[in-house]
Amino acid sequence: GAGVSQSPSNKVTEKGKDVELRCDPISGHTALYWYRQSLGQGLEFLIYFQGNSAPDKSGLPSDRFSAERTGGSVSTLTIQRTQQEDSAVYLCASSYRTGGYTFGSGTRLTVV
Amino acid sequence: GQQVMQIPQYQHVQEGEDFTTYCNSSTTLSNIQWYKQRPGGHPVFLIQLVKSGEVKKQKRLTFQFGEAKKNSSLHITATQTTDVGTYFCASETDKLIFGTGTRLQVFP
Repeated sequence: GAGVSQSPSNKVTEKGKDVELRCDPISGHTALYWYRQSLGQGLEFLIYFQGNSAPDKSGLPSDRFSAERTGGSVSTLTIQRTQQEDSAVYLCASSYRTGGYTFGSGTRLTVV
Repeated sequence: GQQVMQIPQYQHVQEGEDFTTYCNSSTTLSNIQWYKQRPGGHPVFLIQLVKSGEVKKQKRLTFQFGEAKKNSSLHITATQTTDVGTYFCASETDKLIFGTGTRLQVFP
């Protein structure tokens, strides 16, 4: 596609439920990031995929968070047993190798 | 770990005034990228600087990378209401880490 696509755009879930957030990067982009942004705050790094290398998972806040990237393309961020503090906008960004990332419009997650 | 601080946190200006945001790191940065995020939107890439002392311009925006590659600045000349948003610097040493951001408000 022409841009980075994220789905769903909005997700409301009950505390304790699992959620899956999807990111479709720009075709051919080898680098893919997930960030979390709380209201009025900065971008918190979660995980980084680069080509076939092992992902950098150092930003995942707990073992309830996991992510995978299948075939070097689509990525899924999974949050298990959601908590209210997980409420935020989850942003995905991709780039060809490094330099100048294109962001998706994000998934706004609300845990009630 | 790698940290990038930005000042000021907020800036309110009258339309037509200039604006500058500064980005500082305690460690040498391999590069610096700048992004703009409009209210309710997602970050949009503006520019990347790689060389020590590099200066680049985009219309009313001037970007500078320090000689020691530990700081950077974004200067907007004669702000317009369309400049409203949060400006983030970011550096990609081993991964892309964002600065704390500067929120710019422009009053007409």
